[in-house]
Amino acid sequence: AQSVAQPEDQVNVAEGNPLTVKCTYSVSGNPYLFWYVQYPNRGLQFLLKYITGDNLVKGSYGFEAEFNKSQTSFHLKKPSALVSDSALYFCAVRLNDYKLSFGAGTTVTVRA
Amino acid sequence: NAGVTQTPKFRVLKTGQSMTLLCAQDMNHEYMYWYRQDPGMGLRLIHYSVGEGTTAKGEVPDGYNVSRLKKQNFLLGLESAAPSQTSVYFCASNRAAKGPGELFFGEGSRLTVL
Repeated sequence: AQSVAQPEDQVNVAEGNPLTVKCTYSVSGNPYLFWYVQYPNRGLQFLLKYITGDNLVKGSYGFEAEFNKSQTSFHLKKPSALVSDSALYFCAVRLNDYKLSFGAGTTVTVRA
Repeated sequence: NAGVTQTPKFRVLKTGQSMTLLCAQDMNHEYMYWYRQDPGMGLRLIHYSVGEGTTAKGEVPDGYNVSRLKKQNFLLGLESAAPSQTSVYFCASNRAAKGPGELFFGEGSRLTVL
């Protein structure tokens, strides 16, 4: 079955340090991959997507993600984390023309 | 810019009661979805619709029914609520041309079944 996995339930970093949130995928064919962010008591917001082309994808709020086919990974990164980046992050993969499958989520805490 | 609006935002039910969650979007999106979010399980798709008058089952459809009588509205019904349906429910929508990836989400409806 096509799916994504987020191996870390929680990530803690200090403000100003690099932030990485990990995602690995298991799909047949070329994957369409996405990252979403959920701030407390809010709905999910789309951050970025990888469809094809450059392996480094840039998105909202200074985030980027690197697609690595050999490692079947799509890690989310930010060079310098902010306290306001504290949120729940979801990786997702396209299953077909209508549906996504979401990972379990990673809680990011950025301490001042 | 309303986007996707869900009502109600909070609801407490007793086991066996029924209720309907309403999702309304003002972006003229063709696709609409209902997800539930439970700790450690991410989002799981309940039902979805690819156009007015059409609905389809997702991963966890049992105990839920949906209707899409108008393009802008997608209703999720619980006929006989169970404690296992305690969850946060999210509605989402997107344009068909974009495929399923760039979803716009509502702010959620927190349901507690006692």
